[in-house]
Amino acid sequence: EVQLVESGGGLVQPGRTLRLSCAVSGFIFDDHAMHWVRLAPGKGLEWVSGISWNSGFIDYADSVKGRFAISRDNAKKFLYLEMNSLRPEDTAVYYCAKGKQLLSGLGRHGLDVWGQGTTVTVSS
Amino acid sequence: DIQMTQSPSSLSASVGDRVVITCRASHSVTSYVNWYQQKPGKAPKLLIYGASTLQTGVPSRFSGSGSGTDFTLTINSLQPEDFATYYCQQSDISPHTFGQGTRLEIK
Repeated sequence: EVQLVESGGGLVQPGRTLRLSCAVSGFIFDDHAMHWVRLAPGKGLEWVSGISWNSGFIDYADSVKGRFAISRDNAKKFLYLEMNSLRPEDTAVYYCAKGKQLLSGLGRHGLDVWGQGTTVTVSS
Repeated sequence: DIQMTQSPSSLSASVGDRVVITCRASHSVTSYVNWYQQKPGKAPKLLIYGASTLQTGVPSRFSGSGSGTDFTLTINSLQPEDFATYYCQQSDISPHTFGQGTRLEIK
């Protein structure tokens, strides 16, 4: 069974750091781009970051560029999101998601498998 | 960055109705638009990718069309389980931006 399981969310003060993890199973992790998407309270989905299958291409939404860092460990089958200088507006449910397309940058065929999400709350 | 503008923002419909949701890109995204369904407390679900290709397991009452800057998601014969929020996303040019969502409610 294809499965993505996020962890690492919680309550954190503004300006602090949090690291999210996404454990992957059930598919060839090395073959697919991976992404982080968030859903803030009362808002719509926001694409946060993506990383190609070999970490050769990485990109971020403008709202997090310079503060967040995505990475992956293909041997351990983990995706990460290091979130620095957190702001109250980063409060959201964070989902990791698998790119459907094989071996193609960030992929162009959508995100076909999603985790259950982990909640990040930034508040003093 | 490419902006994706969905309309309407919300929509009321009845079981059995046909609904159309539109998505307009600020620049051409060729055919690289995806559609997702999200229910409260659940992860999004991919419905359509490449503007018109139905994801495996998605009922055929869902269909997508469009190219360039204008795209549509059509749901024929609405079922009770279709009431949810729908999002378009472009995956042609990074960052892969989403539309603001369309909330489909029961009339």
